[in-house]
Amino acid sequence: DAGITQSPRHKVTETGTPVTLRCHQTENHRYMYWYRQDPGHGLRLIHYSYGVKDTDKGEVSDGYSVSRSKTEDFLLTLESATSSQTSVYFCAITEGQGMDTEAFFGQGTRLTVV
Amino acid sequence: EDKVVQSPLSLVVHEGDTVTLNCSYEVTNFRSLLWYKQEKKAPTFLFMLTSSGIEKKSGRLSSILDKKELFSILNITATQTGDSAVYLCASGAGNNRKLIWGLGTSLAVNP
Repeated sequence: DAGITQSPRHKVTETGTPVTLRCHQTENHRYMYWYRQDPGHGLRLIHYSYGVKDTDKGEVSDGYSVSRSKTEDFLLTLESATSSQTSVYFCAITEGQGMDTEAFFGQGTRLTVV
Repeated sequence: EDKVVQSPLSLVVHEGDTVTLNCSYEVTNFRSLLWYKQEKKAPTFLFMLTSSGIEKKSGRLSSILDKKELFSILNITATQTGDSAVYLCASGAGNNRKLIWGLGTSLAVNP
């Protein structure tokens, strides 16, 4: 267990509402990532962070924002949820720089937008 | 365009069989090839390969990379029902160290 926790684990929300997902780590790793996983698309990077207050966009960042005010917490916000954002969201951490090293994933958050 | 293609998409075998999963890649500035196992929840890391021809092994699982032909294989010998999972392959690429993911191979091991 890499000490990475996502909350909530499941959420149903209505179209147009803001939603925040939380990723908490106890490993003091510098690099944190948010992915979404959808059938037919595999894992796609939304945003990542390389330190407190240091974040950057991934390949599918539209409609999402992130914040990292503490090393241990990385928040993903859907500013105005849409049905296309129904997905399973995974947080991941790496000890080293970049996702092309061993990564530890959280248990995932299943989000349904109705 | 960078891409990672896994085959087969799904596979059903009997306990005790040996399976070979394939991952081919076409990426810019290849850095590494990673394998993960996903059992209905979080992916868990299996192997990272950076050098051609050097086998990585963990118990009944092994993997090797061919950088000339641009592919990797994951072998599982004497399969068990606990090996049932989706196996994901990803290639690290580019100066920004991004990761390109395949769609996975779904393996079902029947008793």
